[in-house]
Amino acid sequence: EVQLLESGGGLVHPGGSQRLSCAASGFTFSTFAMSWVRQAPGKGLEWVSGISNSGGNTYYADSVKGRFTISRDNSRNTLYLQMISLRAEDTALYYCAKDQMFSVGLHRNWGQGTLLIVSS
Amino acid sequence: DIQMTQSPSSLSASVGDRVTITCQASQDPNNYLNWYQQKPGKAPELLIYDASHLETGVPSRFSGSGSGTDFTFTISSLQPEDIATYYCQQYGNLPFTFGPGTKVNIK
Repeated sequence: EVQLLESGGGLVHPGGSQRLSCAASGFTFSTFAMSWVRQAPGKGLEWVSGISNSGGNTYYADSVKGRFTISRDNSRNTLYLQMISLRAEDTALYYCAKDQMFSVGLHRNWGQGTLLIVSS
Repeated sequence: DIQMTQSPSSLSASVGDRVTITCQASQDPNNYLNWYQQKPGKAPELLIYDASHLETGVPSRFSGSGSGTDFTFTISSLQPEDIATYYCQQYGNLPFTFGPGTKVNIK
């Protein structure tokens, strides 16, 4: 059974940094692309970032480009999202998603999310 | 960026009714168009991928169709457990984008 367990959310001041993690199990992590998708309170879904299975290719939404960095450790079956220069509008529930083998975008499995609140 | 619109934004229907949601893309996503269901307080779940393919394990009352820039999602016979918000999403062009969602309620 695919399991995705996000962690690292919390309360952060504007301008601060945070790193989210997603621990994956139940599948061969190194053969699947992965993504982060967020949902602001009461709002819709927004794709944030994606990464190829090897980590060699990364992709970002314009709203986070230059501030967020996606990475993965295939030896630890873990996906990361390093966030800097955080803004109030980054407040959201951040979901980790398992995509297809070798390509991003089709989010087949989702974690339960970790909540990030950016506020002073 | 490809902009996604959905209609209606919400609907109420009776159990057993046929429900249809439309999704329009500002550019052709080459049929890389998915539909997700999100129940209150839960993570989204993939129902339909690549416009018309039913994800494994998803009930056959859910279906998708369309091509080009116009797509349709249908629930053939609405069930109480289908109360949710439904999102279309294109992944044919970066950045990937979601529609604003359609909230489905029982009348």
